[in-house]
Amino acid sequence: SQTIHQWPATLVQPVGSPLSLECTVEGTSNPNLYWYRQAAGRGLQLLFYSVGIGQISSEVPQNLSASRPQDRQFILSSKKLLLSDSGFYLCAWSVPGSYGYTFGSGTRLTVV
Amino acid sequence: AQSVTQLDSHVSVSEGTPVLLRCNYSSSYSPSLFWYVQHPNKGLQLLLKYTSAATLVKGINGFEAEFKKSETSFHLTKPSAHMSDAAEYFCVVSSMNNFNKFYFGSGTKLNVKP
Repeated sequence: SQTIHQWPATLVQPVGSPLSLECTVEGTSNPNLYWYRQAAGRGLQLLFYSVGIGQISSEVPQNLSASRPQDRQFILSSKKLLLSDSGFYLCAWSVPGSYGYTFGSGTRLTVV
Repeated sequence: AQSVTQLDSHVSVSEGTPVLLRCNYSSSYSPSLFWYVQHPNKGLQLLLKYTSAATLVKGINGFEAEFKKSETSFHLTKPSAHMSDAAEYFCVVSSMNNFNKFYFGSGTKLNVKP
């Protein structure tokens, strides 16, 4: 079966600290992978997407970066967190050419 | 380019009355459209989706939506609201021709009064 794992579920980090959020997918090959963020009181915004290993596209300029070191692994990082990085981060995947779309359970990040 | 406008940030209805949540989209690709619901501090749950088949789409929990290309709309309706429907609802536009990237509306918070 096809599953998506995202961790941790919650995270509290001080301003200026680094960040690494990981997402892994099981049961599929060469998926499209995505990172979304939901800031407080707002809808979700696409941050990054990837159509293959090492291929990352950014949708909005920001303090974050993404990497895809393996086919089914997608990592969201920051060298120095800002207060404005707080929010709910969701990983998602889809199969190219299909309508199926699966979200992870999300990580709630609070920068203090 | 693709975008979604949810016309109401808050909607309040009484239990047992109809629900209408409005969504207009813009897409330079053949669109797929979705409605998701999010309960407080929870993840996203798919209610229904339109993917170029029947224009009237039925979803879970009695919700349905109609794709109207001429009006570029995809409004969500339910004949009779239930207290458990109180949540935030997101309309989403996507396209397989655009890497299946999801573009979310800003959300509509539905309040259901007893």
